[in-house]
Amino acid sequence: QKEVEQDPGPLSVPEGAIVSLNCTYSNSAFQYFMWYRQYSRKGPELLMYTYSSGNKEDGRFTAQVDKSSKYISLFIRDSQPSDSATYLCAMARSGGSYIPTFGRGTSLIVHP
Amino acid sequence: ETGVTQSPTHLIKTRGQQVTLRCSSQSGHNTVSWYQQALGQGPQFIFQYYREEENGRGNFPPRFSGLQFPNYSSELNVNALELDDSALYLCASSIDSTYEKLFFGSGTQLSVL
Repeated sequence: QKEVEQDPGPLSVPEGAIVSLNCTYSNSAFQYFMWYRQYSRKGPELLMYTYSSGNKEDGRFTAQVDKSSKYISLFIRDSQPSDSATYLCAMARSGGSYIPTFGRGTSLIVHP
Repeated sequence: ETGVTQSPTHLIKTRGQQVTLRCSSQSGHNTVSWYQQALGQGPQFIFQYYREEENGRGNFPPRFSGLQFPNYSSELNVNALELDDSALYLCASSIDSTYEKLFFGSGTQLSVL
């Protein structure tokens, strides 16, 4: 079993839809949770960052962490074709190694 | 403020050859991490360099080696290339080794024939 599991998709939605992207994890030591967006042939770009449990909102993006269920989510409201990309979740422990472990990414396609 | 830059952008090698990939970290960052991303997979951690010393290593064989220079730029060297080494190699810098937010370059696409 991988430490971080993420459905690769693809997830195809119409423009304006609410998108839900999810990851599960097995290591209870993870305290830092991140979402990266990766466009084709580009490096990942940090989108959202959350420490421990709870919600964080930034514009059209909301990140949620449920540590009791070992489950994290990224919601995108009013999705746009420019949101079409691969979304990678990443997690890191506190204390010792802070090196993030990544999920395999979910491919999102927003069609006009 | 300049971002993370990697060179070359693309590279084609044959099995058994050696390759060196280069990375310039973002201004003000002293830590560089290297990741391998196979097609359709997430980035896999290779190693991290902090102030010119290796500061952590993933599950990669010794033929993957690296360097970090006093200006915090870095190199990734891979010896005895194998077909499975074909991947996107990503360099990421961070402010410090205890800082989990990474800033990535666009990567080097390596093809091994």
